[in-house]
Amino acid sequence: KQEVTQIPAALSVPEGENLVLNCSFTDSAIYNLQWFRQDPGKGLTSLLLIQSSQREQTSGRLNASLDKSSGRSTLYIAASQPGDSATYLCAVTYGNNRLAFGKGNQVVVIP
Amino acid sequence: GAVVSQHPSWVICKSGTSVKIECRSLDFQATTMFWYRQFPKQSLMLMATSNEGSKATYEQGVEKDKFLINHASLTLSTLTVTSAHPEDSSFYICSAKFRDRSQPQHFGDGTRLSIL
Repeated sequence: KQEVTQIPAALSVPEGENLVLNCSFTDSAIYNLQWFRQDPGKGLTSLLLIQSSQREQTSGRLNASLDKSSGRSTLYIAASQPGDSATYLCAVTYGNNRLAFGKGNQVVVIP
Repeated sequence: GAVVSQHPSWVICKSGTSVKIECRSLDFQATTMFWYRQFPKQSLMLMATSNEGSKATYEQGVEKDKFLINHASLTLSTLTVTSAHPEDSSFYICSAKFRDRSQPQHFGDGTRLSIL
């Protein structure tokens, strides 16, 4: 069974600092890994998708790395802003198109 | 880009009521849609996989008679929570994807269900 763990569960940082969010998964047989953003009471916004053959993806201030063999991914958010406050979810696609999610990293950026 | 629309966004109803939630893919045909449930501060948990024109596949522990799924067309899947009780109160989210496994799933905005 695929299990996804995200550390830390919650963190607060001053505005301008870089954010580092970690995700680990137990079964390396994945097709891809996605990072999502979820605002309170809202659905999911896809941020980055990394295919299993890729090492990283970048979009603006966001960079995500993937080390499939060790079952790890890291999301970096540069120069954090108060608008980055949200819960960030990591999910892996495995098996028959199934997605396994972590519990999320709850981020607060302090102005 | 692709958009998934979910309706309603919020439902409050009495215990024993049946509630239907719709999930639509707006600009692409989705052969497969997924239904998730999320409790506060918890992961999204896959409830079932909905395939157009065939029966849904339910995850272990999910009662198929309680959570009825219908995927009648390539753009619409519905989840009906039958005889809902307070313990069914949760956040329900659907997603849709192309057949190509390399493509991401696209998520609806979710439905907050509160059973009194």
